Amino acid sequence: AQSVTQPDIHITVSEGASLELRCNYSYGATPYLFWYVQSPGQGLQLLLKYFSGDTLVQGIKGFEAEFKRSQSSFNLRKPSVHWSDAAEYFCAVTPNFGNEKLTFGTGTRLTIIP
Amino acid sequence: DSGVTQTPKHLITATGQRVTLRCSPRSGDLSVYWYQQSLDQGLQFLIQYYNGEERAKGNILERFSAQQFPDLHSELNLSSLELGDSALYFCASSVVASSYEQYFGPGTRLTVT
Repeated sequence: AQSVTQPDIHITVSEGASLELRCNYSYGATPYLFWYVQSPGQGLQLLLKYFSGDTLVQGIKGFEAEFKRSQSSFNLRKPSVHWSDAAEYFCAVTPNFGNEKLTFGTGTRLTIIP
Repeated sequence: DSGVTQTPKHLITATGQRVTLRCSPRSGDLSVYWYQQSLDQGLQFLIQYYNGEERAKGNILERFSAQQFPDLHSELNLSSLELGDSALYFCASSVVASSYEQYFGPGTRLTVT
């Protein structure tokens, strides 16, 4: 069965510092990959997605992610975080053949310090 | 604002009771998904409907059921509630069944006491 691992439960970074959130997936083929963000008391918002093609994908709010097939990873990055980026971030996958259900990682909570 | 609406925002009920959660998808979206978010299980897919028909099932308990109506809104029915059913229930929608971009509603927080 496919699975998603987010090894970091909680990350703290200073405002203005760079950020990288890790995501590894386990699946026979390359699934479709997503990053969602959940702000406190809010639903999930899609940050970016990877289906195929260019392995570096750009998303909203200045985020990007890089797909690395050899490492089964899809890490999320941002060069300079803002206090408003404090939230929970979820990596998700879905098989790329007619099955739309998302399998989510356990999430990484991001805290920003001034 | 994703365009997906869910009601109610909060629900507090007692064990053994039955509740109904409602979801209105984005305008034009035919597919509706239900997810449960709890502290111990994380975010889990429950069930998907497409244009009124059940399309996929996940880790949905037999005490739970859902349906999608002709106007495309969906309801998730939870019965014989247990303390462990306390969770945030999300609805998401997408344009077509094979669309991989799902837009999430704000969720319904269910507390079972």
